[in-house]
Amino acid sequence: ETGVTQTPRHLVMGMTNKKSLKCEQHLGHNAMYWYKQSAKKPLELMFVYSLEERVENNSVPSRFSPECPNSSHLFLHLHTLQPEDSALYLCASSQAGGRGDGAQYFGPGTRLLVL
Amino acid sequence: GESVGLHLPTLSVQEGDNSIINCAYSNSASDYFIWYKQESGKGPQFIIDIRSNMDKRQGQRVTVLLNKTVKHLSLQIAATQPGDSAVYFCAATRGFKTIFGAGTRLFVKA
Repeated sequence: ETGVTQTPRHLVMGMTNKKSLKCEQHLGHNAMYWYKQSAKKPLELMFVYSLEERVENNSVPSRFSPECPNSSHLFLHLHTLQPEDSALYLCASSQAGGRGDGAQYFGPGTRLLVL
Repeated sequence: GESVGLHLPTLSVQEGDNSIINCAYSNSASDYFIWYKQESGKGPQFIIDIRSNMDKRQGQRVTVLLNKTVKHLSLQIAATQPGDSAVYFCAATRGFKTIFGAGTRLFVKA
C-alpha cells in the first residue's frame, strides 16, 4: 500500500456514458497528478494540482475533466470517450517543494475500457 | 519535444548478479530524477531519486548515477533477486512537469 487509493479498479463504459474516477491520498501531500498509461508507451502526464489549483494541463481533450475539491481528493470526470482512451489511469501525489518537484507516489490505477 | 529514453526495452540477468539499467534525457533544465519500479497490476513504486547537484546516490541494494554532461542516468541493482523482476522507469522532472521513459523490463533468471 502506497497511501494512494483509486476507485474503481476496473471500468467498462460506452462512448456515450459519463463516469468518474476517484483518487484519495492519505500521505498529507500537497500535489496530485493524473497520468495515462497505454500499452508500450511512456506514462503521459495529464493534469497536476498543487494546493488544489491546476498547475499543469498537458493538452488533454476536453472529454477529460479533472476536479480537486481538497488536497486529499482528486477526480477525473469522463464523458463521450473514444476507444483509444482505453488505458490504465494512474493517480499520484507528492509533497512538492517551492520548485514543484518531489517524489510522486502512485495509486494502483483504474483500468478503463471504452467500447 | 522533451523525451526520456531507455537504452534497452528488456534486460535479462542471473539471480545474484548486478543489474544496470540506463536512461537518457533530453532536457538539460531537468533538475530532479527518479527511478520507479512497476510490477504487474500495480502502480509505479518509488525506488530512488537524485537531484542535479549530485552525481551518485545509494539506497538499499540500489545506486543511481547521474551524468549531466551527457544527460545520462543509470540504476544499478546489486545482487539481483527474483523479486526485482518488474518494469523500471526513469523520470526527469523540472518543476511540476515530469517526463517518463518507456520502461525496461527486467527478467531475473533463477
